[in-house]
Amino acid sequence: NAGVMQNPRHLVRRRGQEARLRCSPMKGHSHVYWYRQLPEEGLKFMVYLQKENIIDESGMPKERFSAEFPKEGPSILRIQQVVRGDSAAYFCASSPPGLALAGELFFGEGSRLTVL
Amino acid sequence: GESVGLHLPTLSVQEGDNSIINCAYSNSASDYFIWYKQESGKGPQFIIDIRSNMDKRQGQRVTVLLNKTVKHLSLQIAATQPGDSAVYFCAGREKYNAGNMLTFGGGTRLMVKP
Repeated sequence: NAGVMQNPRHLVRRRGQEARLRCSPMKGHSHVYWYRQLPEEGLKFMVYLQKENIIDESGMPKERFSAEFPKEGPSILRIQQVVRGDSAAYFCASSPPGLALAGELFFGEGSRLTVL
Repeated sequence: GESVGLHLPTLSVQEGDNSIINCAYSNSASDYFIWYKQESGKGPQFIIDIRSNMDKRQGQRVTVLLNKTVKHLSLQIAATQPGDSAVYFCAGREKYNAGNMLTFGGGTRLMVKP
């Protein structure tokens, strides 16, 4: 049973380019969460999605950032016109349907974005 | 919103000793807490969790203590091993949020000396 799969693991972009990060949740999980982690810091919530719906995007910058979780395929975190401050590790997590009694989120290995 | 933070950024212990990592939270509406371990270059791994109606929970070599009066959480690791070296995060879930969104603390780096 594969865990949360993220790709690419490492991505290098020049300022002004676009970055697309993909996340396939664990099998049977319909909730996806994106978190950002700067070096030597904790994880900061960005967005919570269910299939075809954005449930909470309160942690995501209003401009340049967008996320989707289509009916088919992985969840995508898209960053347009990247700037150096976007350099970070982006983690995706998933959880099963409903408010799990345990509440545990299962994390992927992250995508590390470097903006030159 | 909730804020979860840690007291100590770095903890250095001798192999075989016990480790205690502390965490403070500010939102009394939090109903669930988790400790995660993150090794270099990897994603967070679940260690142990505790619901707000409990004050202690034990796992294999790990114990989590919750003091709701002072909004404090701690992770105790018994007989610390070199493989325990990592950054440890506490995270809390707000009771009334829409899903299982967690708010993370800043992390404590545990260094185990052989």
